Amino acid sequence: DQQVKQNSPSLSVQEGRISILNCDYTNSMFDYFLWYKKYPAEGPTFLISISSIKDKNEDGRFTVFLNKSAKHLSLHIVPSQPGDSAVYFCAASSSNAGNMLTFGGGTRLMVKP
Amino acid sequence: GAVVSQHPSWVICKSGTSVKIECRSLDFQATTMFWYRQFPKQSLMLMATSNEGSKATYEQGVEKDKFLINHASLTLSTLTVTSAHPEDSSFYICSVNRGAKDTQYFGPGTRLTVL
Repeated sequence: DQQVKQNSPSLSVQEGRISILNCDYTNSMFDYFLWYKKYPAEGPTFLISISSIKDKNEDGRFTVFLNKSAKHLSLHIVPSQPGDSAVYFCAASSSNAGNMLTFGGGTRLMVKP
Repeated sequence: GAVVSQHPSWVICKSGTSVKIECRSLDFQATTMFWYRQFPKQSLMLMATSNEGSKATYEQGVEKDKFLINHASLTLSTLTVTSAHPEDSSFYICSVNRGAKDTQYFGPGTRLTVL
């Protein structure tokens, strides 16, 4: 039973345009959400996070939106750059679960020059 | 963010041998570290939570006698894959929880190939 799902395995975007990566979750106990970026053969790099008490968090080109009623979050990257090409994982945690993260399956983003 | 290192970055071994992977938190004393594995084109799967000074907590389906975890100090956790088999070939990544709430910072990973 996948508690965190990223339904799009891949996404292709033109340089300069907006990239929108989506993530859905089923566990209503999740109260903290994170996005990680991962290159092949490297560990994930933390990008941005959001607490369930917020619906938006922005950091430079990256913005995460949280819709708790829909159990949906998204990562917006604008403008997209070729260096953003990587696999993006969303992750979720619950205050009751000892800082353990549950990861989605990942979305491969390709930004074309 | 926290600086986390892993050693070795890659290892090739024969079936039946044991392999030790080290995870070090270079700038932070971590009472808890996490071990993940990732198969090709799949997500990260939590294997176990490593607790300094006590036994590790393993996720369901992970054999604790096969994947030995030792968290001997606040900066070092080790994962030993005992009697490795080809199906253990994977990318193993550790992480440290630090900073805001549940943010984890990951090591660079270790690629294990068992022949």
